[in-house]
Amino acid sequence: SYELTQSLSVAVGLGQTARITCGGNEIGSKNVQWFQQRSGQAPILVIYRDSVRPSGIPERFSGSNSGNTATLTISGVQGGDEADYYCQVWDRDTARVVFGGGTKLTVL
Amino acid sequence: QLQLQESGPGLVKPSETLSLTCTVSGGSIATDNYYWGWIRQPPGKGLEWIGSMYYSGSTYYDPSLKSRATMSVDTARNQFSLRLRSVTAADTAVYFCARHLFYYDRNWFDPWGQGTLVTVSS
Repeated sequence: SYELTQSLSVAVGLGQTARITCGGNEIGSKNVQWFQQRSGQAPILVIYRDSVRPSGIPERFSGSNSGNTATLTISGVQGGDEADYYCQVWDRDTARVVFGGGTKLTVL
Repeated sequence: QLQLQESGPGLVKPSETLSLTCTVSGGSIATDNYYWGWIRQPPGKGLEWIGSMYYSGSTYYDPSLKSRATMSVDTARNQFSLRLRSVTAADTAVYFCARHLFYYDRNWFDPWGQGTLVTVSS
């Protein structure tokens, strides 16, 4: 079955750029979504269709997807960005939603 | 603004059936191209999709839960529900409901309910 692989954790300094990756076989051929989940809260959609920001999501959040890796980039990281981030795709072959294991972003 | 709210027992005994309902407000559940989904998160772990259902009755389930899960929709009450049979401690999780856009190459969850913790224990 299709799997998405994320690093367990990423740590960056305040104001720096965080890059969170999501690996999967030919993930570049799929649409990737990214969710932010702050501690104790429900996930919120921050990127859909690889690189589109929903209304209300700061321009600091951007996404890209090519080959076997999708990337969520957060520029000018703020304390409020500290959260778990999950990637998600639809696997057409098995007709199922697949989530990555999640990456914990720590802001130093 | 669309809002979703989960409800149901917070404690279920092993081998029994977990039943949850999600009430949708601020919009109709009978909206073209939108499914309605359940996702769960065991304590300290990641997100796990359970299944999604269209208001007309079409459903998709994760293969790992398909034999135990049943979803239903009540358009009159603007609610959808999940039943999970024969639960074990491994089913202890926060259960989220969410609107699931599912149309051609569009496939994402937004918005989500706040989640409800269900503990399986005797």
